[in-house]
Amino acid sequence: GENVEQHPSTLSVQEGDSAVIKCTYSDSASNYFPWYKQELGKRPQLIIDIRSNVGEKKDQRIAVTLNKTAKHFSLHITETQPEDSAVYFCAASRGGNQFYFGTGTSLTVIP
Amino acid sequence: GAVVSQHPSWVICKSGTSVKIECRSLDFQATTMFWYRQFPKQSLMLMATSNEGSKATYEQGVEKDKFLINHASLTLSTLTVTSAHPEDSSFYICTGRGSSYNEQFFGPGTRLTVL
Repeated sequence: GENVEQHPSTLSVQEGDSAVIKCTYSDSASNYFPWYKQELGKRPQLIIDIRSNVGEKKDQRIAVTLNKTAKHFSLHITETQPEDSAVYFCAASRGGNQFYFGTGTSLTVIP
Repeated sequence: GAVVSQHPSWVICKSGTSVKIECRSLDFQATTMFWYRQFPKQSLMLMATSNEGSKATYEQGVEKDKFLINHASLTLSTLTVTSAHPEDSSFYICTGRGSSYNEQFFGPGTRLTVL
């Protein structure tokens, strides 16, 4: 089955700096890669996703890059704000079916 | 986005009892629903895939006789934790996916505490 690894497990950045979270996956058939933000006690919320036919996608301060050959994808958050503090999960999926999640990254943005 | 609800939002039960958790898609037909569990400060682990009108597909290591899943309609899937034990205490989250979506829509989760 699919195995998704995520690094780092914790990340602290100063407000205004950039944050990068990296994930690798094992199943070359995976073709959909969403990123979720989860605040304490709440459900995960989709923040951005990318499909395997695209190498990069950007939405305001958030961007995701995908390297299919190396089987890794990354989340980039620029100009971080305190409200970006949360746990972020990457996931890999074949066509939006079973999602296999990474282990999560706890991001703290220091004002 | 589409809305998925779960009921109950939290439940406390005695060891040995069974607990049923409902997952409903409120404004779309979820041909497929997924059940995850999340331990504190850990990731979401896929438990099973629930397809309307057919048997659920369980991930390796998940006991299908302990975690009974029923997906009787396009808007409702239920997870029953049978003979619950303290180690079953966890946050259970369902997601729904429509036939034309890649995205999965998360329910708010159910926190189960087994005493």
